[in-house]
Parts: sequence; structure tokens; C-alpha cells
Amino acid sequence: DQQVKQNSPSLSVQEGRISILNCDYTNSMFDYFLWYKKYPAEGPTFLISISSIKDKNEDGRFTVFLNKSAKHLSLHIVPSQPGDSAVYFCAASVKYNFNKFYFGSGTKLNVKP
Amino acid sequence: EAQVTQNPRYLITVTGKKLTVTCSQNMNHEYMSWYRQDPGLGLRQIYYSMNVEVTDKGDVPEGYKVSRKEKRNFPLILESPSPNQTSLYFCASSRTGFPAGTEAFFGQGTRLTVV
Repeated sequence: DQQVKQNSPSLSVQEGRISILNCDYTNSMFDYFLWYKKYPAEGPTFLISISSIKDKNEDGRFTVFLNKSAKHLSLHIVPSQPGDSAVYFCAASVKYNFNKFYFGSGTKLNVKP
Repeated sequence: EAQVTQNPRYLITVTGKKLTVTCSQNMNHEYMSWYRQDPGLGLRQIYYSMNVEVTDKGDVPEGYKVSRKEKRNFPLILESPSPNQTSLYFCASSRTGFPAGTEAFFGQGTRLTVV
């Protein structure tokens, strides 16, 4: 059973608006969370991360929010741009082994011009 | 240019014929890892390595072997491939330390088909 879940396979947003990508997890031992972006025919690239001691981390247009009690994290992209169109994966690692990662199934974001 | 190079990019093989997918990085990273990507399942970690001669199982290690004899190389070996190993494979590397995955660099992927 997947420990990290992205329940929305796809999301379509208008350019300039906010994109919100969601991720849920089941393992309470997860201590570090990451988001990766993947374009077709390329490997994933690291986007942003957050430690469980924080509830928000910001990097330019990208903000990740962590709600530990709900075991939920989200990635906000503001404003969305057509170049943000890609598949987004969330990933998590456990407290005692930061080298082992669990990924969600991905959400395909389409930003319309 | 910092990069992770996988070879081959595409491979079609037959059941039971041993194959190796190579992975090489030029960033002097200690940590390397292999993933497979399947529709609806996302990326699943196969094996990872913290340094030369140090490897450990990920989430789905069955049917795969790895070795880390040199820091830059981390080949993935399928001793007897089966059709359920048809997948898109990614190799990744990053510095060690906390947390290992933050600055991970991924290769472009190897599309493997086992018939």
C-alpha cells in the first residue's frame, strides 16, 4: 500500500492563477518531505522541501505547507506559468533513514496560457 | 556540466537474459539511488548506496542487484529479467548528509521492455 498518495492525477489552471497540488501520507514516522518536478523525457528535478519541524517553506513562487496532524502537504505555485506544466511528485523520508524515499504517484499540472 | 548519465536510454530484451543498466555521475556525490516509475505508482526506490561498497534495499529490491565499486558508478543489474520489470528506470545522486534527497540529480531515464 502506498504510504504517500497524490489523489489528483491531473490539474488544469489558468496562467497567472494559483496552482495547488496536494499530497497525503500515512506514515507518522515521515520527517522530511520534498517536491520534484518532471518534464517529459527528462528525469525529475528537485523543487522544494520541508522538514517536519516547520509548517511552511517558501522559495520564490513556490510554497510548501505541511499539516502534520492531518498528514497532508500541499505545494502552491503563485502565479502559475505555462512553463510550470509538468508532473509533480511529492516524496517523504523517515526519521531514522533519510536515504530511503517514498514517492507519490504524481500530479500532472497543465497551465493554460 | 553536472550530470547523471544512464545507458542505455532504451532497451528491449527477452525474459531471462541478464542485463545491466549503467549510471555514472560527475559530481563526486556519495549517495546514489535507483528508482522505477510505473503508471499510477509513481517512483519507487529499488536500491540506494551511501558510498563505495555501501548499499541497501529500497522499497522494491526484488529481482535487482546493484554494486558500488567506484564512487561515480552505480550499475543496476537484472540477472533474469521478467515482463513485470518492464518500466522506466531512473538513477539519482546527491551529497550525503541531512537530508540526502534535497539536492538530488536524476538521470534522463532508461525505458526497459522485457518481452
